[in-house]
Amino acid sequence: AQSVTQLGSHVSVSEGALVLLRCNYSSSVPPYLFWYVQYPNQGLQLLLKYTSAATLVKGINGFEAEFKKSETSFHLTKPSAHMSDAAEYFCAVSGYSGGGADGLTFGKGTHLIIQP
Amino acid sequence: NAGVTQTPKFQVLKTGQSMTLQCAQDMNHNSMYWYRQDPGMGLRLIYYSASEGTTDKGEVPNGYNVSRLNKREFSLRLESAAPSQTSVYFCASSGDRESSPLHFGNGTRLTVT
Repeated sequence: AQSVTQLGSHVSVSEGALVLLRCNYSSSVPPYLFWYVQYPNQGLQLLLKYTSAATLVKGINGFEAEFKKSETSFHLTKPSAHMSDAAEYFCAVSGYSGGGADGLTFGKGTHLIIQP
Repeated sequence: NAGVTQTPKFQVLKTGQSMTLQCAQDMNHNSMYWYRQDPGMGLRLIYYSASEGTTDKGEVPNGYNVSRLNKREFSLRLESAAPSQTSVYFCASSGDRESSPLHFGNGTRLTVT
C-alpha cells in the first residue's frame, strides 16, 4: 500500500527565506507524486507533479520539487518565501490500492507560516 | 470554467439525521472521488468511482453511501449522521491515467451535533 510522510506539521520561515517542506513516500510500484496547496476555506490546488519525465519538477508560484528515488523523497522548495505562500501543503502519491485511477494517498499536511 | 462544484457549502445536522452531498464536474472526467479532511489527518478517501455505474470503497467508507448518477455527478449520502462525521468533505475528479492529478471542489463543511 502507498503511504506518504510529511515531516513537520508546522513550518515557520521568514519572508524572503528558503522554504523547504519535506515529503517521503512508500510505494509498491513506481510512483507518481504530487504537491497540492490549500488556502483557508478553499479546495486543494495542484502545485506540481512528478511523472518520471524529469527528477526536478517546476510548479506554479515559484515552487519546485526534486524526486530522489534512493531517498524515497519528494521535497518541496521555494528560494524566497512570500507572505502569500502561507497555506497548508499536502504531498500525495498515486494509487489508493496500488494502481489505476483510484485516487491519491495524502500526507497529513504541513502548515507553512511566513513571518514578516 | 466551473470545474468541480459541490453543494451545500455548509451544513449542520443533528445526530441521526440524513443528508446528501452533491458534486458535479464539467471536465468530462471518468473518475470521481469523495474525501474527508480532519485536522492533523490529511485527506482520507471515502469512496471513488472509476466510471459511470461503478463505485468502490476507500479507506473510510463506514457510515456513507455513494451514487454515481451519471458521468458528471457523484453524490455522497449520510443515512444516520454521527458526531464523528463532523468534517470537511471534498469531491474531486480526474482523468483516467494514474498520473492524472485530481481536481477538487471547494468543500462542504459539515457539523453533526
